[in-house]
Amino acid sequence: KQEVTQIPAALSVPEGENLVLNCSFTDSAIYNLQWFRQDPGKGLTSLLLIQSSQREQTSGRLNASLDKSSGRSTLYIAASQPGDSATYLCAVRGNTGNQFYFGTGTSLTVIP
Amino acid sequence: DAMVIQNPRYQVTQFGKPVTLSCSQTLNHNVMYWYQQKSSQAPKLLFHYYDKDFNNEADTPDNFQSRRPNTSFCFLDIRSPGLGDAAMYLCATSRAGGSSYEQYFGPGTRLTVT
Repeated sequence: KQEVTQIPAALSVPEGENLVLNCSFTDSAIYNLQWFRQDPGKGLTSLLLIQSSQREQTSGRLNASLDKSSGRSTLYIAASQPGDSATYLCAVRGNTGNQFYFGTGTSLTVIP
Repeated sequence: DAMVIQNPRYQVTQFGKPVTLSCSQTLNHNVMYWYQQKSSQAPKLLFHYYDKDFNNEADTPDNFQSRRPNTSFCFLDIRSPGLGDAAMYLCATSRAGGSSYEQYFGPGTRLTVT
């Protein structure tokens, strides 16, 4: 069964810093990887989706990369802002079935 | 806007009293998912529907049931809620057979069991 790990579990940075969140997965036979943001007590908001054939995706200040062979993805956030404070989760979908496997998330705090 | 809607947003039920959570979608996606998420934990997949085909995760308790009467709606029934079932319940949709299989989530229902 696919295991997804996110390190660190929590991260605190001053406003304006660039930062990287990590996601690793044990089975490289994935169809895609999706990064989400979750605010306290809320649902998940999709940030970026990377297909298995892609190396990276960008949206505004966010850049997600995928190295399928090593089972890793990173989410890069440029010029962090207090409004970026949230929990960031990654999820992978395998090549078979319709299930998505989630990591436990990284809780990000951006200090003004 | 196309979206995933969950009702109610907050639900309080008594120990052992059946409860139903609702999810609807305007995306016309053929896959619908129910996740349970407890504090500081990853969402845990309970089951999903691919069209009318029901797929139960092996470790989903029998206390949890689901219905999907049509493409747009999916329900989560908890037959006899226990204190351990207090959690956020998240509904999500995806289009299988499309090019991306991106997942879209609703806002969640926070279930409290008293």
